[in-house]
Amino acid sequence: AQKVTQAQTEISVVEKEDVTLDCVYETRDTTYYLFWYKQPPSGELVFLIRRNSFDEQNEISGRYSWNFQKSTSSFNFTITASQVVDSAVYFCALSSQGAQKLVFGQGTRLTINP
Amino acid sequence: EAGVVQSPRYKIIEKKQPVAFWCNPISGHNTLYWYLQNLGQGPELLIRYENEEAVDDSQLPKDRFSAERLKGVDSTLKIQPAELGDSAVYLCASSPGLAGVDTQYFGPGTRLTVL
Repeated sequence: AQKVTQAQTEISVVEKEDVTLDCVYETRDTTYYLFWYKQPPSGELVFLIRRNSFDEQNEISGRYSWNFQKSTSSFNFTITASQVVDSAVYFCALSSQGAQKLVFGQGTRLTINP
Repeated sequence: EAGVVQSPRYKIIEKKQPVAFWCNPISGHNTLYWYLQNLGQGPELLIRYENEEAVDDSQLPKDRFSAERLKGVDSTLKIQPAELGDSAVYLCASSPGLAGVDTQYFGPGTRLTVL
């Protein structure tokens, strides 16, 4: 069975601080895909990134960066110089062609205070 | 390119009443998903369509929930009769093709409140 764990239920930081959201996953598939989605108060799930299990290269997109480590089954997300607009619930998710299902973690509610 | 469209955005009904949600996926996306999201939880799959065929409805409570995607494009999810525990957000998503491989893109959801 596939499982995603986001141990941090809520995080609150002051604007301009860096913040890391943790994600640990479990799967028996050798080929799988990891995702991060952002859910702002409006409710829509916004796609941020997709990584496949064969690509462990870290990725940076502006203030966002992702650290994928197969050795620890983790796919962590860091926001540098956080801004109030980053406040949202962030979900890590896992899928594979074998399971044909996208499994979500419980989400981390991030609050950036001015 | 237009995203996934859902309506209505909000719905308030009395228990035992029927309710229906509509979804129009991104143009060209063959796979359509309905998810249930309870407060403080991640979304959970209810049903997946590949074109007009429901290929995974194992998590759909079939005694009261039904869904259709007649022409392989837009889809409707229905609850009849609604119960208090059905209060949640119902999300629709679509992807180009392969479930479990392609990225899923989500609509804004329908927030259902059952009184």
